[in-house]
Amino acid sequence: LAKTTQPISMDSYEGQEVNITCSHNNIATNDYITWYQQFPSQGPRFIIQGYKTKVTNEVASLFIPADRKSSTLSLPRVSLSDTAVYYCLRGRRALTFGSGTRLQVQP
Amino acid sequence: NAGVTQTPKFQVLKTGQSMTLQCAQDMNHNSMYWYRQDPGMGLRLIYYSASEGTTDKGEVPNGYNVSRLNKREFSLRLESAAPSQTSVYFCASSESRGGGQTGELFFGEGSRLTVL
Repeated sequence: LAKTTQPISMDSYEGQEVNITCSHNNIATNDYITWYQQFPSQGPRFIIQGYKTKVTNEVASLFIPADRKSSTLSLPRVSLSDTAVYYCLRGRRALTFGSGTRLQVQP
Repeated sequence: NAGVTQTPKFQVLKTGQSMTLQCAQDMNHNSMYWYRQDPGMGLRLIYYSASEGTTDKGEVPNGYNVSRLNKREFSLRLESAAPSQTSVYFCASSESRGGGQTGELFFGEGSRLTVL
């Protein structure tokens, strides 16, 4: 099953940009990279998905280098409400979450 | 649209009892998943079903069985519950896109199971 590696935790302050990097060295040719956000007592929520280069939506950007062995989720100007666990997934069918990155945003 | 609906939301079992967690989605998705999440941990994939009539093991399938009853419904059964199966169980569904890409996962609210 496809595995990814992320930092266990990160701290930031309101208004800062946060970048969370995920390593997926053995990514398969057809695998997409997807990021999810999870608040306590809730199911994860989709943030963004990409295959290569850069993808941007209304809440985040996803940067994927040419070798696709890693990806970086960028959250611009975080707020307290962005405090959550962020998961990086790769793969097509058997989607595994890993341990995720706990982001704590301070005032 | 209700999205993904799980029942029950809470359940307490004694060791050795059996139960079935039900999941239904109304988004006409091909793929459905069952995950478990222990306190402070990430989600672990138990079983998934890429399409109606097919099921496959995930990371932690031991002690569980699943049934993809039809396109809408995907149930998870614990035949003989153990305290180690105390967890929050999430069901999810997604559409299958071209090239094998899996679309966005939509999750239910979770089912909190305690095994005494």
